Amino acid sequence: SQQGEEDPQALSIQEGENATMNCSYKTSINNLQWYRQNSGRGLVHLILIRSNEREKHSGRLRVTLDTSKKSSSLLITASRAADTASYFCATDARYGGSQGNLIFGKGTKLSVKP
Amino acid sequence: DAGITQSPRYKITETGRQVTLMCHQTWSHSYMFWYRQDLGHGLRLIYYSAAADITDKGEVPDGYVVSRSKTENFPLTLESATRSQTSVYFCASSPYPGASYEQYFGPGTRLTVT
Repeated sequence: SQQGEEDPQALSIQEGENATMNCSYKTSINNLQWYRQNSGRGLVHLILIRSNEREKHSGRLRVTLDTSKKSSSLLITASRAADTASYFCATDARYGGSQGNLIFGKGTKLSVKP
Repeated sequence: DAGITQSPRYKITETGRQVTLMCHQTWSHSYMFWYRQDLGHGLRLIYYSAAADITDKGEVPDGYVVSRSKTENFPLTLESATRSQTSVYFCASSPYPGASYEQYFGPGTRLTVT
């Protein structure tokens, strides 16, 4: 069962540009997390934002959360070639076999060209 | 080395064979997770464990068995491998319950069932 879905599925930009990825989810959440996955590697945690927070920053990353619209966005400013990766949002599952655990979206594949 | 490791990194097996994927973490995290990653599905939770000798099913547990006799190890066994179990398998750990804190992922095991 899919909780979060990222948009777009793929994004290609030039180095130095900003990259914005969106995540929409279906049911209410306690928190939302963003992860990065470089090709052939495991996922790396980027940011966790709780349902009572609207915005969070970490270095060049900015995450927003709009619980009324059930959506979140991840902004990477001044992108670098090293930011090339897939980005996943994950929310807490309220129902089903994964209840209490994370449900991951399918990811946005970001390509940053030098 | 400290962290979370998986072995083997690559495995090819035949339909019907039993396969065990290993996961080891050095942080003494209470929670451990097994995910599979398939194109078009993102990551899906197979099994998780809250502590030694405590395991529970995730979203897609059929055909898999887990055990956790020691906090640091969480092996995943495919009792009779099928082609549909061809996937990349990720182990993760966390000091807190699944969705409330970041998870630390291993590098993954790419399993091919022929």
